[in-house]
Parts: sequence; structure tokens; C-alpha cells
Amino acid sequence: ELKVEQNPLFLSMQEGKNYTIYCNYSTTSDRLYWYRQDPGKSLESLFVLLSNGAVKQEGRLMASLDTKARLSTLHITAAVHDLSATYFCAVDYDMRFGAGTRLTVKP
Amino acid sequence: EAGVAQSPRYKIIEKRQSVAFWCNPISGHATLYWYQQILGQGPKLLIQFQNNGVVDDSQLPKDRFSAERLKGVDSTLKIQPAKLEDSAVYLCASSSSKGGRIGYTFGSGTRLTVV
Repeated sequence: ELKVEQNPLFLSMQEGKNYTIYCNYSTTSDRLYWYRQDPGKSLESLFVLLSNGAVKQEGRLMASLDTKARLSTLHITAAVHDLSATYFCAVDYDMRFGAGTRLTVKP
Repeated sequence: EAGVAQSPRYKIIEKRQSVAFWCNPISGHATLYWYQQILGQGPKLLIQFQNNGVVDDSQLPKDRFSAERLKGVDSTLKIQPAKLEDSAVYLCASSSSKGGRIGYTFGSGTRLTVV
């Protein structure tokens, strides 16, 4: 059974700091998705990673995929309050989501 | 383009009652998914359709949940009878293909409360 693990589950950051969220999965997959969810809202697609070594960046967020290690990372650079949300990774096989990382950016 | 439409937005029912949710995917999207998201957890896939055929319903509690996608467009998800543990947000998502290169588009969801 495919398992998707995210860590940390909760992250409190100061504005301006950098941090990385990790997503590990248990079976091979050639694509991985990152989503953002604001409280009470639906999921917003952030990144689609389609191959080993894929790296995508949008603003202060950068996602990468290592299919050999079965690991994806979401790196946050110089965090700002607007990035406060829950971030989910999802692995295409079975479309399994991780439990999410609840990010809070404090001034 | 219009997004994924879901209705109702909220529903409160008593346990053992029945409830149905409706989803209209993005026009032309062949793949449609229903997810259950319990508060504080990640979405859990319930069922996946490709056009009007079921691709994966392995996680659908078939004793009480059913879903259909007539004519390969709109879809309904039904719970009968509901249990307290069914309280969750039910999300519908669509994609132009399985594992779309631009990801999946989610609707706003239906928040179900079973009392």
C-alpha cells in the first residue's frame, strides 16, 4: 500500500527565514503534486513534478523531485505572512495525499 | 474557463439520513475524482472516473456510499445511511487526463455535518 509521509506536520516560521518541507513516499511514481490549502478553502495546485530531478519555482517556493529517493521537497525562501497555509503533497499512483504541513509565518 | 462546480456548499443531516452531492467538472475533462477530507487530514480518494467508467473505487465504502457519472460529465456522490464519522468536506476534482500535466482542479467542496 502506498504511503505518503510529510514532515513536519506543523511549522512555525519567522518572516524572512528559510525552511524546507519534506514529502516521502513508499512506491515508485513518476509524478508528484504540491497543493496549497487556505483555511476553509479548496486546494490550489502549486507544482507538478513529472520526472526525476525536476525542479520548479514560483515566487518564494521551489519544489524538487528525486524519484530514486522517493522524496520531494518544498523549499520556502524568505517567508512572508501570505505563505501561511497548509501544504500537501500528492503522489500520482492512487492519488494519495500526505497529511499536510500546516505553515504559520509570524512577523 | 469555469472551474469545478459543486453543490451544495454545506449540508447538515442526522445520522441514518441520506445525502447527495453534485459535481460539474471543467468542460472537456475526462477524469473526475471524489475525495473525502476529514478535518485536519489530507484528502482521501474515494472514487475515480474516466469518462463515465469507474477506474478506481477501492477506497469507497460501498455499503453506504455510491457514485455515478452519467454521460461522462456531471457526477453525484450519495451516502445512505450517513454515520457520524462521515462528517467531512467532500471534494470533487477533474483533470483532462489521468495525472494531468497541469495538475488537478478542485471544486470548493461540500461540507457535511452529521449530527
